[in-house]
Amino acid sequence: NAGVTQTPKFRILKIGQSMTLQCTQDMNHNYMYWYRQDPGMGLKLIYYSVGAGITDKGEVPNGYNVSRSTTEDFPLRLELAAPSQTSVYFCASSWGPGQEEAQYFGPGTRLLVL
Amino acid sequence: DQQVKQNSPSLSVQEGRISILNCDYTNSMFDYFLWYKKYPAEGPTFLISISSIKDKNEDGRFTVFLNKSAKHLSLHIVPSQPGDSAVYFCAAMTNAGKSTFGDGTTLTVKP
Repeated sequence: NAGVTQTPKFRILKIGQSMTLQCTQDMNHNYMYWYRQDPGMGLKLIYYSVGAGITDKGEVPNGYNVSRSTTEDFPLRLELAAPSQTSVYFCASSWGPGQEEAQYFGPGTRLLVL
Repeated sequence: DQQVKQNSPSLSVQEGRISILNCDYTNSMFDYFLWYKKYPAEGPTFLISISSIKDKNEDGRFTVFLNKSAKHLSLHIVPSQPGDSAVYFCAAMTNAGKSTFGDGTTLTVKP
């Protein structure tokens, strides 16, 4: 049982490049989340999904896209990387409110945009 | 407008004493409140949660108190141990599953 896995662990992007951050969970959780954490700050919700085929915006969705074609996978796409997207990105999953609210987090992806 | 606030960036306590971490929120629509602990270079790990219909939840050394009228919750750690030193995040969740985190409080427990 690997929990939540994220790839890559670290990436350097040039301005304008695109990339996909991968997230996979093996707990059969319905809910999945993407957050970003800037230095000294809390986690900001980018997008979340309540099940396959359903996604919704969080606090800071601009510049990002997501899809949820399977229960297990929730990739995050950056189309035109900007220095403001330099951050640590965390993926999380949970059963959801009313069942088990606790979110299980992956180890994070550190992204540097230069 | 920050909906979940942790006004103390840091807290230092002596081993064996009580640690009290505080959190305020502004949105009455939150249904669940959670505390997470985070070590450097790792993802947050869940500690304890409380439903908005309760005012207290205990799990071992950790107790969360919720005061809905004041829109305030607190996490009590008794007794504090050096291994508790980490960043603690307060989070609030709606019934739709949307989560909002505070900026965190760095707890240092001195031996």
